[in-house]
Amino acid sequence: QVQLVESGGNLVEPGGSLRLSCAASGFTFSDYYMTWIRQAPGEGLEWVSYISSSGSTTYYADSVKGRFTISRDNTKSSLYLQMNSLRAEDTAVYFCARGNSQLDYWGQGTLVTVSS
Amino acid sequence: AIRMTQSPSSFSASTGDRVTITCRASQGISTYLAWYQQKPGKAPKLLIYAASALQSGVPSRFSGSGSGTDFTLTISCLQSEDFATYYCQQYYSYPRTFGQGTKVEIK
Repeated sequence: QVQLVESGGNLVEPGGSLRLSCAASGFTFSDYYMTWIRQAPGEGLEWVSYISSSGSTTYYADSVKGRFTISRDNTKSSLYLQMNSLRAEDTAVYFCARGNSQLDYWGQGTLVTVSS
Repeated sequence: AIRMTQSPSSFSASTGDRVTITCRASQGISTYLAWYQQKPGKAPKLLIYAASALQSGVPSRFSGSGSGTDFTLTISCLQSEDFATYYCQQYYSYPRTFGQGTKVEIK
């Protein structure tokens, strides 16, 4: 069965960096676009970034452009989100999801807290 | 960015009720629309894609309709497990955007 497992969330100070990972299993990872979505505490869903199946194409929300970098390693069936220059407003649960249009499978999420 | 507006933001309903949630896009998105259900502390679950296509494994009491700018999600006979927050999402253009959510609570 399809599984997506995020990791790497933590408490980090403003201006700091963090790298999130998403380990995929149960499907041919290299065939699928992948997406990161986040949800601030008590708030709605915010689309963050996507990456094409080969990794050659990426897109970012304006709120993270220039600070976050999405990448993937198809040999390891893994998706990544490198987050730099973190701000308090980046505090959220970060989900990885399969797809780029409708998102048919989601991980359980990993919590990123940006605070001093 | 395309703005997605859901209504209502929350409401109370009883088991067995027929409920409808509306999602409006700030510009036409054809049928590039998905609906998700989220329960507290859980990841969202895909219910509907392409505005009206039922995702595999989702009960048939869920249905979606609409095209262009106006869309609806209908639950024909509300069950106890349906009390949750529902989100629409457009995938017509980048950045993808979600509605603010509609919370369905027990009356």
